[in-house]
Amino acid sequence: EPEVTQTPSHQVTQMGQEVILRCVPISNHLYFYWYRQILGQKVEFLVSFYNNEISEKSEIFDDQFSVERPDGSNFTLKIRSTKLEDSAMYFCASSRADRPNEKLFFGSGTQLSVL
Amino acid sequence: AQTVTQSQPEMSVQEAETVTLSCTYDTSESDYYLFWYKQPPSRQMILVIRQEAYKQQNATENRFSVNFQKAAKSFSLKISDSQLGDAAMYFCAYRGRDDKIIFGKGTRLHILP
Repeated sequence: EPEVTQTPSHQVTQMGQEVILRCVPISNHLYFYWYRQILGQKVEFLVSFYNNEISEKSEIFDDQFSVERPDGSNFTLKIRSTKLEDSAMYFCASSRADRPNEKLFFGSGTQLSVL
Repeated sequence: AQTVTQSQPEMSVQEAETVTLSCTYDTSESDYYLFWYKQPPSRQMILVIRQEAYKQQNATENRFSVNFQKAAKSFSLKISDSQLGDAAMYFCAYRGRDDKIIFGKGTRLHILP
């Protein structure tokens, strides 16, 4: 069964370093998303991406963050200069369309630890 | 590998009635966490309720409760006195030792006025 895959499952980095989180969405999906969950808190929406551009982003998604679809299969989240508060579980998701009743398929997450 | 299965893609319930959403999972671990997340049209993922596998007592949060059957690997969500604001996609999720969260594919809940 098709699934969204994320790599790595764990990433440890030093504060101020750049990290790239990688996702391979389901192949026939057109909409892509990143979420994050800080330990003990709710899962928060970061950004949605369609047709090679950001379609929506939250206030969390500031200039330190960027997303890219460098080829036909990968969808990446880059954090330019990590902060301690960026430590969280980051989830990628994809869907075929962006309608309210369209399901999102989630990856199993990348745990980012900023030291 | 752990799996989470939600066998009901969509469900409907009359306002003020009770509805139960099903979830089963598969794991060889003995310590893990189970969650139900609600995703309204805003796309935020809202944690509804969580259950630690070592606890026998079923978790409750106001109108939301679970029926956790560890031996059967079942984790259903009961919503009592359904309200229009309960309409959303509900995801069952599993988190084991490696901290990965595995989500089910979701159940779309419709509340009928």
